[in-house]
Amino acid sequence: GENVEQHPSTLSVQEGDSAVIKCTYSDSASNYFPWYKQELGKRPQLIIDIRSNVGEKKDQRIAVTLNKTAKHFSLHITETQPEDSAVYFCAASMGNNAGNMLTFGGGTRLMVKP
Amino acid sequence: GAGVSQSPSNKVTEKGKDVELRCDPISGHTALYWYRQSLGQGLEFLIYFQGNSAPDKSGLPSDRFSAERTGGSVSTLTIQRTQQEDSAVYLCASSPRRQTGLIYEQYFGPGTRLTVT
Repeated sequence: GENVEQHPSTLSVQEGDSAVIKCTYSDSASNYFPWYKQELGKRPQLIIDIRSNVGEKKDQRIAVTLNKTAKHFSLHITETQPEDSAVYFCAASMGNNAGNMLTFGGGTRLMVKP
Repeated sequence: GAGVSQSPSNKVTEKGKDVELRCDPISGHTALYWYRQSLGQGLEFLIYFQGNSAPDKSGLPSDRFSAERTGGSVSTLTIQRTQQEDSAVYLCASSPRRQTGLIYEQYFGPGTRLTVT
């Protein structure tokens, strides 16, 4: 089955700096890669996703890049703010009727220091 | 519109008792998933329902776990003879079907925190 590795497990940055979180996946059939933000005690919230037919997607301060050949994808947050502090999870899925479940990485705890 | 809802929000039970957790997906979403999140850990897939098809139970950790989805909407996850290692947050997610028939983004409920004493 699919295996997703996520690094780093914790990341501390100064407000205004950029943060990058990286994930690798094992199953070349995976074609959908979402990122979720989870604040303490809250539900995971989808913040951005990318499908395998594109290499990059951007939404304001957040961007995701995908390298299908190397089987890795990354989340980039620019101009970080204290409210970006949370645990971020990457995931991978085949995005079809069979086996559409998400396989999650272990999470990255991002701390943005004011 | 209304998001995914789950009940109860918290459940404390004694070891050996059975528990039922409920999930109400977003209206019109055909796919429903259950995940488990242990303390400080990532999310682990449990079971997946798509329309009237047979569920994918490949993630269920033991035969003490079962789930059903009635009328293609509400789902109930049942854990029989609970053990302490079952303590976790149980999250439900639902997903729409797109015109192409593919299913993508999943939206999570707030979860049920289960504590087995």
